[in-house]
Amino acid sequence: DAGVIQSPRHEVTEMGQEVTLRCKPISGHDYLFWYRQTMMRGLELLIYFNNNVPIDDSGMPEDRFSAKMPNASFSTLKIQPSEPRDSAVYFCASSRDLRPQHFGDGTRLSIL
Amino acid sequence: GNSVTQMEGPVTLSEEAFLTINCTYTATGYPSLFWYVQYPGEGLQLLLKATKADDKGSNKGFEATYRKETTSFHLEKGSVQVSDSAVYFCALSSGAGSYQLTFGKGTKLSVIP
Repeated sequence: DAGVIQSPRHEVTEMGQEVTLRCKPISGHDYLFWYRQTMMRGLELLIYFNNNVPIDDSGMPEDRFSAKMPNASFSTLKIQPSEPRDSAVYFCASSRDLRPQHFGDGTRLSIL
Repeated sequence: GNSVTQMEGPVTLSEEAFLTINCTYTATGYPSLFWYVQYPGEGLQLLLKATKADDKGSNKGFEATYRKETTSFHLEKGSVQVSDSAVYFCALSSGAGSYQLTFGKGTKLSVIP
């Protein structure tokens, strides 16, 4: 398996800009998860999908955040407009059935 | 709701020392329990898991036993190596048809030669 692939690995942008984070899950996995990691709050689940359908988005902090999964091999997390407090490492993870999750290497996002 | 509490780090140990990282949880029903490890600049990797009371998960010399009576899942290793330096996360899944994980805040371990 190639593993979960996230892009970009690093993103630096100015406040107010739109940010798009991308994730390719492991082939055959039917669950996809987006997490945010910060020093203050640790790892937080933002949203997860099952078979491309959003199941629980209660962790999405506010309307500036949106996530889509147009097909089984691709998902995006968008922030528009971005703010400095969105700076964090964002992880995507995938799993098959109810098996443990496999994590990508993350996107380190810095909003200036 | 579900929650996981880990001992705060950082933890610094000499090579070959014994390691314990405490983890306790609060959950409804019968959760599955996990330890994940995060090496610098990488994502989380599953280290070990236990799905029911008294199960012992083990991997790479690490062990943890699911203790329902004390709601604990402490991570142990008898002899740590420099390569074990990483952040360790305890997590639980309440099941209920999903693998939604609740994580502890993580414990940073540094092993010095």
